[in-house]
Amino acid sequence: QQQVKQSPQSLIVQKGGISIINCAYENTAFDYFPWYQQFPGKGPALLIAIRPDVSEKKEGRFTISFNKSAKQFSLHIMDSQPGDSATYFCAAISLGGSARQLTFGSGTQLTVLP
Amino acid sequence: DAGVIQSPRHEVTEMGQEVTLRCKPISGHDYLFWYRQTMMRGLELLIYFNNNVPIDDSGMPEDRFSAKMPNASFSTLKIQPSEPRDSAVYFCASSPAGRFNSPLHFGNGTRLTVT
Repeated sequence: QQQVKQSPQSLIVQKGGISIINCAYENTAFDYFPWYQQFPGKGPALLIAIRPDVSEKKEGRFTISFNKSAKQFSLHIMDSQPGDSATYFCAAISLGGSARQLTFGSGTQLTVLP
Repeated sequence: DAGVIQSPRHEVTEMGQEVTLRCKPISGHDYLFWYRQTMMRGLELLIYFNNNVPIDDSGMPEDRFSAKMPNASFSTLKIQPSEPRDSAVYFCASSPAGRFNSPLHFGNGTRLTVT
């Protein structure tokens, strides 16, 4: 099963709050998990990524938490800002596989209120 | 680096007409992907190329869809005949060869409306 399940579908957060988006996967061969950020009228762009040999990766206000045993990973946006309002996609791929394509989650539309 | 360039940005056509979407990948990138984005299905991979050769077209929904990559700097996605259910945003993306964790670089998409 190649599916990556993402929740919630939409999220509204006050400025300065924490935004949390969750993803779960089934394919244990997945070993690279990027997050993409998409603004209206634009294509998705890589935001941050993690390998399962670490439980957490932080870049500025953005943190990925990874739970390998539960096959779950999440994106945390600290001190959320209105400029973070966008659609976020989690994704997964097996680096050792022959397939070159990412499996994307269904997306989360984040709105940060001023 | 101009990024991935797609044209047109918007396309409105009538059912039954042929539609051609165009993509110029980033120079030096060996992989090119075509995605379709809808509210109902999210991001769907339609087809991808490696060094101009189609590798996996299992996501192409029907024979009405075809894609070509005649050279390293140009690709097209054609829908003939188009149907209202083809209305979506179509993205082209490219990535360099070598590392599977190389990021995808997406264009800004073509919004297709079929009436």
